[in-house]
Parts: sequence; structure tokens; C-alpha cells
Amino acid sequence: AQTVTQSQPEMSVQEAETVTLSCTYDTSENNYYLFWYKQPPSRQMILVIRQEAYKQQNATENRFSVNFQKAAKSFSLKISDSQLGDTAMYFCAFGGGATNKLIFGTGTLLAVQP
Amino acid sequence: KAGVTQTPRYLIKTRGQQVTLSCSPISGHRSVSWYQQTPGQGLQFLFEYFSETQRNKGNFPGRFSGRQFSNSRSEMNVSTLELGDSALYLCASSLKRATDLYTQYFGPGTRLTVL
Repeated sequence: AQTVTQSQPEMSVQEAETVTLSCTYDTSENNYYLFWYKQPPSRQMILVIRQEAYKQQNATENRFSVNFQKAAKSFSLKISDSQLGDTAMYFCAFGGGATNKLIFGTGTLLAVQP
Repeated sequence: KAGVTQTPRYLIKTRGQQVTLSCSPISGHRSVSWYQQTPGQGLQFLFEYFSETQRNKGNFPGRFSGRQFSNSRSEMNVSTLELGDSALYLCASSLKRATDLYTQYFGPGTRLTVL
């Protein structure tokens, strides 16, 4: 069975600084996807970035980038130039195997301080 | 293109009642999945529907059921509500094509409170 672990329940960062959120996962699948979702106080779950496991190049989306270490089963999210609007709960998620379901971590609550 | 929509956004029910939640996926998306989010259990997969058929089911009692219509809209139903069913219910849709597996787009959720 797949598992996703986020070991940082809460983090804080100053506006304009860089922060890295950690995620590890466990799977026996060879083909899978990894995702970071953002859930602000509005509770809307927003897709931030995704990574296909077969791609060696780390995904980037504007200020968001990942460090995907397949052998170590690690998938961290780096947020550069943090903005107040980045304040949210961030979930790491795994998608793979025969089902279409996503397995989520427990989330990291990120607070961006002015 | 419009996003995933869910109705209603908020519901208050009492124990023993039943409730039906609705989800309209992004146009063209044929897969709809439902998740329950609670502070204690986090995000848990309920079930997925594709082409009007339930494809996968999570570890929830039979009181939780769903269906999908020919236009891909989906409903989930919870019968004999319990206090523990209070949660945010999230619907997600996906294209489920070979080049874009597992990517899901979420609606705003329905907040269910059971009194």
C-alpha cells in the first residue's frame, strides 16, 4: 500500500523569503505521479504542481518548484519569494497503481509573515 | 472553462437523516472522485465514478453511496447520518487520459454538519 508522509505540521516564513516543505512516500509502483495541493482558508483545494515519476527533470511552476528524488522517495516543494497569499495548508499527494484515487499526506500549515 | 462545482456549499442535518451532495465536473472530464476531509482522519478517498460506473471504493460503510449521470455529474448520498459524518466533502474531476493520469481538480467542497 502507498503511504505519504509530511513530517512538518507547521512552518513559518517571512515574506519574500524561500521555504521548503518536505514529503516522503512509499510505493512499489514504477509509474506514478506526485502532486502538491494548496488549501487556503477558503478550503478550495488548488493544484500547485505535479511531477511524473518517469521524468527526471524537476517540475517548476513560476515561484514553485520541486526536488524529486526517486530513489530516496522524496518530493519536496520549494516556494520562492513567498507572498502573503501563499499562506495555506499544503498537501503532498500520490497517484499511482490501478485506481484513480489520490493518497494524501497530513498536510503542512504554512504561514507567511509580513 | 468553468471549474468543478459543488452544491450545496453548506448543510446542517440531524442524526438519522440522509443527505445528497451534488458535483458537476469540468466540461469534458468523465471521472469524478469524492473525498472526505476531517481534522482527525485527514483526506480520505470515498469512491470514483467513470462513465456512470463506480470504479473504485474506499473503506467507508455502505451508508455512503454515489452515482454518476450520463452528463458526468455525480451525486453522493449518506444515509442514517452519524455525528462522525460531519466533514468537508470534496469532489474532484479528471480527464483520466493516458498522458494525464491521476491529475484531479477539486471543487470548493460541501461542509456537512451533523447535529
